[in-house]
Amino acid sequence: SAVISQKPSRDICQRGTSLTIQCQVDSQVTMMFWYRQQPGQSLTLIATANQGSEATYESGFVIDKFPISRPNLTFSTLTVSNMSPEDSSIYLCSVVREGVNREAFFGQGTRLTVV
Amino acid sequence: AQSVAQPEDQVNVAEGNPLTVKCTYSVSGNPYLFWYVQYPNRGLQFLLKYITGDNLVKGSYGFEAEFNKSQTSFHLKKPSALVSDSALYFCAAASGGSYIPTFGRGTSLIVHP
Repeated sequence: SAVISQKPSRDICQRGTSLTIQCQVDSQVTMMFWYRQQPGQSLTLIATANQGSEATYESGFVIDKFPISRPNLTFSTLTVSNMSPEDSSIYLCSVVREGVNREAFFGQGTRLTVV
Repeated sequence: AQSVAQPEDQVNVAEGNPLTVKCTYSVSGNPYLFWYVQYPNRGLQFLLKYITGDNLVKGSYGFEAEFNKSQTSFHLKKPSALVSDSALYFCAAASGGSYIPTFGRGTSLIVHP
């Protein structure tokens, strides 16, 4: 298993501001991902955080809005920029270990409310 | 493309009764299948997975799931539900060539005392 610490656990932010979410893993992992879970909906993959290179974004998500850093194999940040109320969601960090056991492990999530 | 369907938004069951949460999937090749549970204000917790082997997979908290290749289903089951099982349950699937699972929309399980 993997222990993932994600912070902040929740925040209330003013529109137009930015919030940076941190994700710390207790061991080195190659694959780290960021998801968004909008109210009452499933998880949507935002991007794959690549160590040492630019993140790989899914359709509908762009770097200017969701810049991601991955300075090493145990840490990543996701910034939600120029926030609007539509960005109110739970943001989740996830890792998957390579090999046969492919289950994803998740941080506890960051519940963001934009007012 | 991968897809996962959870046809029920909500499942209601009385405590002590068996429960089933349905999931069907579409992936290319052999599937990797997962169930996760999300309690309020918490992240997702892994329950069980199917990769290969026996079609009946046993997981945490007394849950099990049955892989049915012909019906492309992976329903979650428990013989006797507990009130504490009330939570949001997500089914996920990945193809052999991808480490990124696709999630279903989730099913809210409500167990009544």
